[in-house]
Amino acid sequence: AQRVTQPEKLLSVFKGAPVELKCNYSYSGSPELFWYVQYSRQRLQLLLRHISRESIKGFTADLNKGETSFHLKKPFAQEEDSAMYYCALWPQGGSEKLVFGKGTKLTVNP
Amino acid sequence: NAGVTQTPKFQVLKTGQSMTLQCAQDMNHNSMYWYRQDPGMGLRLIYYSASEGTTDKGEVPNGYNVSRLNKREFSLRLESAAPSQTSVYFCATRGRGGGQPQHFGDGTRLSIL
Repeated sequence: AQRVTQPEKLLSVFKGAPVELKCNYSYSGSPELFWYVQYSRQRLQLLLRHISRESIKGFTADLNKGETSFHLKKPFAQEEDSAMYYCALWPQGGSEKLVFGKGTKLTVNP
Repeated sequence: NAGVTQTPKFQVLKTGQSMTLQCAQDMNHNSMYWYRQDPGMGLRLIYYSASEGTTDKGEVPNGYNVSRLNKREFSLRLESAAPSQTSVYFCATRGRGGGQPQHFGDGTRLSIL
């Protein structure tokens, strides 16, 4: 079965420090992976997807098939990055269901 | 472009009351979804609809019913609300094709007393 694991429920860093939000997945095929961000009491918004290999708001994520990971990184955290972050996997092959991790709450302290 | 619109934004119900949450999209997407979000539980899929006229159960369907009224609208009904259904409900849509992300509505905060 497909599964997405975000091992840290809470992550706290200081402004200007590097941040890495971990995401591990289990899937036998080639997944499509996404990171979503949810600011306080707002909707989930797509942050980035692995197929586009883009950097959004300074965040990047690299798919490591060997380690089945898709960690989200930012070299210098900002206070406005404080939010809930969800990693999600789309199994290819006709499935219409996105598999979400349980999320990591990031707090960036001044 | 409104994207995904959910109504109402807030609602308080008494145990046993019924309620329909509405979701409408103007993105011409085939797939629509209902999730609930609870602290520490992340997002849990209640029901989804891969296309107009079809619906399927997700992870936590008990106590809910859905209707895919047309391509634009997907409603979630609580027939007899229970306190355990207090949650934030999100509707989402997805277009066809690989690499397509889901797009979410603003959510409905539902409290059941």
